Amino acid sequence: EVHLVESGGGLVKPGGSLRLSCAASGFSFTNSYMSWVRQAPGKGLEWVGHIVTISHGGTSTYGAPVKDRFTISRDDSKSTLYLQMDSLKTEDTAMYYCGTGSASDTWGQGTMVTVSS
Amino acid sequence: DIQMTQSPSSLSASVGDRVTITCRASQGISHYLAWFQQKPGKAPRSLINGASTLQSGVSSKFSGSGSGTDFTLTISSLQPEDFATYYCQQYSTYPFSFGPGTKVDIK
Repeated sequence: EVHLVESGGGLVKPGGSLRLSCAASGFSFTNSYMSWVRQAPGKGLEWVGHIVTISHGGTSTYGAPVKDRFTISRDDSKSTLYLQMDSLKTEDTAMYYCGTGSASDTWGQGTMVTVSS
Repeated sequence: DIQMTQSPSSLSASVGDRVTITCRASQGISHYLAWFQQKPGKAPRSLINGASTLQSGVSSKFSGSGSGTDFTLTISSLQPEDFATYYCQQYSTYPFSFGPGTKVDIK
């Protein structure tokens, strides 16, 4: 069974940094594209970014609101996806979800990030 | 960037009703369209990808159709567990993008 578990969320001050992790199991992580999606309180879903497999170059792509501040990476030896978030803003406050594939076929339970002074 | 719109933004329906939600892309996305269901306080759940391919374990009362710019999600006979918010997402062109959602509640 495909299983994704996000962790690393918490309270951080504006301008601060946080790294989220997504531990994967039950499928071939090495051969899977992976996505991050977020949802601000009471709002809709927002695509954060996406990383392709290492065999396809391991490149990541981002949505405009997070580009140049967030970095997606992967450690296939640990079946873990990461989201490094720098220069955090109050508008980054959201539940962050990881998902399998370009179309997020399976989602984790999410980890909450609150950016506040 | 590709903009996704959904209509209606909300609807009220009764158990047993047939419900159709429309999703439109601002430019052609072929069949690279996914549908998700989200209940309050829960993570989204994938229903359909490739515009019409049902995810494993998803009830056949859900169906998707469309290609290019216009897509629909149909629930053939609404059940109490189907009251939720539904989102579409295009994954044709970066940056990928979601529709604003359609909330389905009880009439």
